[in-house]
This record gives sequence, C-alpha cells and structure tokens, in this order.
Amino acid sequence: AQSVAQPEDQVNVAEGNPLTVKCTYSVSGNPYLFWYVQYPNRGLQFLLKYITGDNLVKGSYGFEAEFNKSQTSFHLKKPSALVSDSALYFCAVRAANFGNEKLTFGTGTRLTIIP
Amino acid sequence: ETGVTQSPTHLIKTRGQQVTLRCSSQSGHNTVSWYQQALGQGPQFIFQYYREEENGRGNFPPRFSGLQFPNYSSELNVNALELDDSALYLCASSSPRGYGYTFGSGTRLTVV
Repeated sequence: AQSVAQPEDQVNVAEGNPLTVKCTYSVSGNPYLFWYVQYPNRGLQFLLKYITGDNLVKGSYGFEAEFNKSQTSFHLKKPSALVSDSALYFCAVRAANFGNEKLTFGTGTRLTIIP
Repeated sequence: ETGVTQSPTHLIKTRGQQVTLRCSSQSGHNTVSWYQQALGQGPQFIFQYYREEENGRGNFPPRFSGLQFPNYSSELNVNALELDDSALYLCASSSPRGYGYTFGSGTRLTVV
C-alpha cells in the first residue's frame, strides 16, 4: 500500500522568509511524487513533480522540492514567501509501475504567509 | 490546449437520490480518474478509466460507478446517496503512463 504523511496541518511564515512544507511517503518500488496547491472552493493546481533524474525539482511560482530517497521525503520549499502563497498544499505519490496510476494524497498543509 | 472541465459546479441532492457528474478530459489525455475530497481532507481515489474500461478502483462501494466515452470524457454516477457522500468530486485526466495529472475545478455535491 502507498501512503503520504504531511506532519504539519498548519505552517505560518512571515512574508519574505523561506518556507518549507514537509512530506514523507511510502510506496512499493520507485515513486512518482507530486505537489499540488488548492485555493478555496477550487480544484487542485499542479506545482511540480519528480519522475526521475535530478533530485532537486523546480516548479511553478518559484517553488522547488527535493527528492530524498533514503529519507523517503519530498519537501516543498521556496526561498522567499509571498502573501499570495497562502493556500492548502497537498503532496501525492504513485508507484512508477505502469497500470498503477492511483494517486495517494496526504491530508494537506495549510500555509499562511503573514504580511 | 484545453484543460479539464467538470459539470455541474455545484449540486444539491436528497438522501437516496442518484447523481451523475461529468468530466471532459484535457486534449491528448486518454486516462481519467475520479477523486472524492471530503471537507478538511485530502482527495481519495475512487476509480480510473482507460480506453473506456475501469482499470483501478479505490475503497468505494459499488454504488459509485463510472463511464468513459470514446472521446475520453467521463461520468461518475452515485446511487442511493448518503449524507457522507457530500464532498468535492475531482476529475483528473492524464497522459499515457501518468507522468502528469490535470485536475478540474471539481463538483461540490451536497446531500441533504
């Protein structure tokens, strides 16, 4: 079975400071990892993904994430937070084998950027 | 390139009724998945369709069923609605091998 843990329900960061949203995962075999953002009453908006290759992945709006296989982590980061980054963030994983394309999501982390 | 479109955006149904939600996939995507997101939770996988056949299912009862059409659009049907079915239902389309998933804005279903 595959699973995702987002240990922090809420993260508060001052505007301009670096931010980190944590994610650890469990999956059989190699993982495909994703980060999505959700604004109120909206669907999921794709930020970035790790499929293979460089462990540091750069995505939309200045976000990046580092894949760490030994720690089974895929933390989301941004060097300088903006108030507009305030939203709900979801980490998701699926196994890399073809035919198993189910995404498993974490419970989400609410990020609040304080002006 | 068009994104994923879901209809309707909001829906109110009475317990015991049946509902059909619709999804148009992104151009070039032939796989469609449905997810249920209850309030305050992450999305939960319901099922996936590829080439008009269900090829993966989450822990949902048989009263949740679906269809995929030749143009890759899809429907989610829920029979005998229960209060706990109230949620945001998200449709996602993906390209072959699932390297990327595009989600629609969802349908907010309220069962009263």
